[in-house]
Amino acid sequence: DQQVKQNSPSLSVQEGRISILNCDYTNSMFDYFLWYKKYPAEGPTFLISISSIKDKNEDGRFTVFLNKSAKHLSLHIVPSQPGDSAVYFCAASETIRRALNFGKGTSLLVTP
Amino acid sequence: DVKVTQSSRYLVKRTGEKVFLECVQDMDHENMFWYRQDPGLGLRLIYFSYDVKMKEKGDIPEGYSVSREKKERFSLILESASTNQTSMYLCASSPLRPYNEQFFGPGTRLTVL
Repeated sequence: DQQVKQNSPSLSVQEGRISILNCDYTNSMFDYFLWYKKYPAEGPTFLISISSIKDKNEDGRFTVFLNKSAKHLSLHIVPSQPGDSAVYFCAASETIRRALNFGKGTSLLVTP
Repeated sequence: DVKVTQSSRYLVKRTGEKVFLECVQDMDHENMFWYRQDPGLGLRLIYFSYDVKMKEKGDIPEGYSVSREKKERFSLILESASTNQTSMYLCASSPLRPYNEQFFGPGTRLTVL
């Protein structure tokens, strides 16, 4: 049973515009959320995270928003660059369990 | 610099063979994880370990076992490889806190013929 859902398998955005990647979750016990970025033939790399006590976290061009009542989070990339083209995984965890629950990923393509 | 290494980038095995995938981390992390990544399914947790000789089943442990004899090394074992275990295998590690920011290795692409 998929507890973390990324309903858009792919997204295409023009360079310089905003990319918005969405993620929904079903487990209300999740208290920490992360985004990972993955290039082909490489392992995922940590991008940004947010605790459930916050509703926004910003790091340079990347901002994650959390809406707990809707069980929804989103990753905003502004401005998008061709090097951002990758698969983005949303992940969530709950304090009592150390493992992460990953979504299926969204493939972002940023075109020049 | 944080580093997680996996013994092979590509591996081809035959059905029924015993397969060992090795993962080593140099960050003195307590937690280590094995995932598999398949198209359309994302990353699924196979097993994880939070201490030497300790292990816990993930979401898809069937057909796999693990071994953690030393803190830095976590091995995934396919006792009798099957074609449906053809996949990308990813190892990760994380510190005790924050345990949820995991560092991943480059992955092993395993093909079982």
